[in-house]
Amino acid sequence: KQEVTQIPAALSVPEGENLVLNCSFTDSAIYNLQWFRQDPGKGLTSLLLIQSSQREQTSGRLNASLDKSSGRSTLYIAASQPGDSATYLCAVLGSGDKLTFGTGTRLAVRP
Amino acid sequence: GAVVSQHPSRVICKSGTSVKIECRSLDFQATTMFWYRQFPKQSLMLMATSNEGSKATYEQGVEKDKFLINHASLTLSTLTVTSAHPEDSSFYICSAKTSGGAETQYFGPGTRLLVL
Repeated sequence: KQEVTQIPAALSVPEGENLVLNCSFTDSAIYNLQWFRQDPGKGLTSLLLIQSSQREQTSGRLNASLDKSSGRSTLYIAASQPGDSATYLCAVLGSGDKLTFGTGTRLAVRP
Repeated sequence: GAVVSQHPSRVICKSGTSVKIECRSLDFQATTMFWYRQFPKQSLMLMATSNEGSKATYEQGVEKDKFLINHASLTLSTLTVTSAHPEDSSFYICSAKTSGGAETQYFGPGTRLLVL
């Protein structure tokens, strides 16, 4: 059974800092890995999707990397802003179209 | 493109009543739809997978007689919470994808259910 863990569970940083969120998964047989953002009481916003054959994806201030063999991914956020405050979820797509979500990292960026 | 809607966005009901939640793909045909549940400060947990025209596949521990799923068309899936109880209060999110294989899932905005 796939298990996805995210570290840290919560993070509070001052505005402008660069930060790294971590995601690890136990079964490396995945099709892709996706990072989402979730604001309180809201649905999911897809940020980046990395196919299993890829090493990284970039979008603006966000960069996600994937090391499938070691079961790890990182989300790098450059020059953080208060508007980045949200919960960040990673999810891996495995066999049977199953998307397994991580436990999430709650990020607070202080002005 | 690839927009998924849910209705209602929020519902409050009395214990013992049934609640129906709709998930629609607005601009594409969804051969497969997924239903997730999210308790406060927890992650999303897959409840069931539904394919158009066939019975849903439920995850272990999810009662199929309590959570009725109907995927009658390529753009609509419904989740009915039957005889709801306070412990069913949660955030329910659906997602949809277009075809078989490792296609991207598109997520709805979620439905907040509160059972009194």
